[in-house]
Amino acid sequence: EAAVTQSPRNKVAVTGGKVTLSCNQTNNHNNMYWYRQDTGHGLRLIHYSYGAGSTEKGDIPDGYKASRPSQENFSLILELATPSQTSVYFCASGDSRAYEQYFGPGTRLTVL
Amino acid sequence: TQTVSQSDAHVTVFEGDSVELRCNYSYGGSIYLSWYIQHHGRGLQFLLKYYSGNPVVQGVNGFEAEFSKSDSSFHLRKASVHWSDSAVYFCAVKAMPNYNVLYFGSGTKLTVEP
Repeated sequence: EAAVTQSPRNKVAVTGGKVTLSCNQTNNHNNMYWYRQDTGHGLRLIHYSYGAGSTEKGDIPDGYKASRPSQENFSLILELATPSQTSVYFCASGDSRAYEQYFGPGTRLTVL
Repeated sequence: TQTVSQSDAHVTVFEGDSVELRCNYSYGGSIYLSWYIQHHGRGLQFLLKYYSGNPVVQGVNGFEAEFSKSDSSFHLRKASVHWSDSAVYFCAVKAMPNYNVLYFGSGTKLTVEP
């Protein structure tokens, strides 16, 4: 069964530290996405990718980098984590020809 | 400003009741509309979509949604809810200039009481 997986599922980081969130998809979808979810804001798009080697800025890219080394993997990197980046992060994949996006289970990140 | 608006943050109903979750948008031109469901502690799951044709679309688990261009709305309905329908529901839009990106509303938390 096609799936999107995320690791780690929970992470506690210190302010100023580097955090890498990983996402893997077996859907063979071209597009992948990183969102953060905060109460009252729904899901907000951080970065997305059209395929291996591609990364695009979403609506709230500041403080985040992304990397797409392969079709299957898409990482979100916080070089200098701040408490304001405490949130739940979701990865998703989607076929550019279709409509639906398929979401991973989420990563809860706490920055102290 | 292009927006997706879900006016009700919380809706509480009893099992067996009907429910309507409201979604309004302000995008112009051709748009794709969809609804997603998020159970507690889980990722979002696709429910249904609309692009053209019959304005009433059917989704999984007895959900349906109706598109109205005149009202700029895409409300989600279910005739008889079950306790397992308790979740957060998100309306989402794809629009020009980038159909690869989804824009989400803030979500409506549906609680179904026994």
